[in-house]
Amino acid sequence: NAGVTQTPKFQVLKTGQSMTLQCAQDMNHEYMSWYRQDPGMGLRLIHYSVGAGITDQGEVPNGYNVSRSTTEDFPLRLLSAAPSQTSVYFCASSAGTGLGGYTFGSGTRLTVV
Amino acid sequence: EDQVTQSPEALRLQEGESSSLNCSYTVSGLRGLFWYRQDPGKGPEFLFTLYSAGEEKEKERLKATLTKKESFLHITAPKPEDSATYLCAVQAGSSNTGKLIFGQGTTLQVKP
Repeated sequence: NAGVTQTPKFQVLKTGQSMTLQCAQDMNHEYMSWYRQDPGMGLRLIHYSVGAGITDQGEVPNGYNVSRSTTEDFPLRLLSAAPSQTSVYFCASSAGTGLGGYTFGSGTRLTVV
Repeated sequence: EDQVTQSPEALRLQEGESSSLNCSYTVSGLRGLFWYRQDPGKGPEFLFTLYSAGEEKEKERLKATLTKKESFLHITAPKPEDSATYLCAVQAGSSNTGKLIFGQGTTLQVKP
């Protein structure tokens, strides 16, 4: 049971570079989300999707893009990396509205220098 | 504005010493309150969902309760393996967006 798979686990970027954080789930879940976790700030929602072809912004969407072309995949794109985007990023999925609990990936630790 | 606050930020207990973690919330239209456990270097792991005031749920040494303003996670006779960060989150509003608002977490250390 793979669950939610995030790649890469670690990444160092230079300011201005772009990259895509990958997220895939094999549970046929409709709902998927991206969060960032920073010390003292808790988990904050970046973007979310309620199904293939449908995405929307969360609390901190600036500097990030998402797409949901398939049920399984929900990549997060950093357009032009900034030091303020140094964080740990988590992808999560749920079968419904999440009331039954989200399944989280193991995270991507991103450092922007 | 919807808000979730957890206290204390950190808690140290001796093995067997019971205690409670607090999660207070201010939201418009609570749909559900969640407790997650997070171990260092890993993603959050789902523990409970509570839907309405008065509801209680248990899992091993953990018991979660809910009132109209706050939730408690009671830990009875904790063991060192209960050491982790415990996260509280709420889902609120009228639409089924699945969006969660998290508190900052309580880091629990249980010493043998």
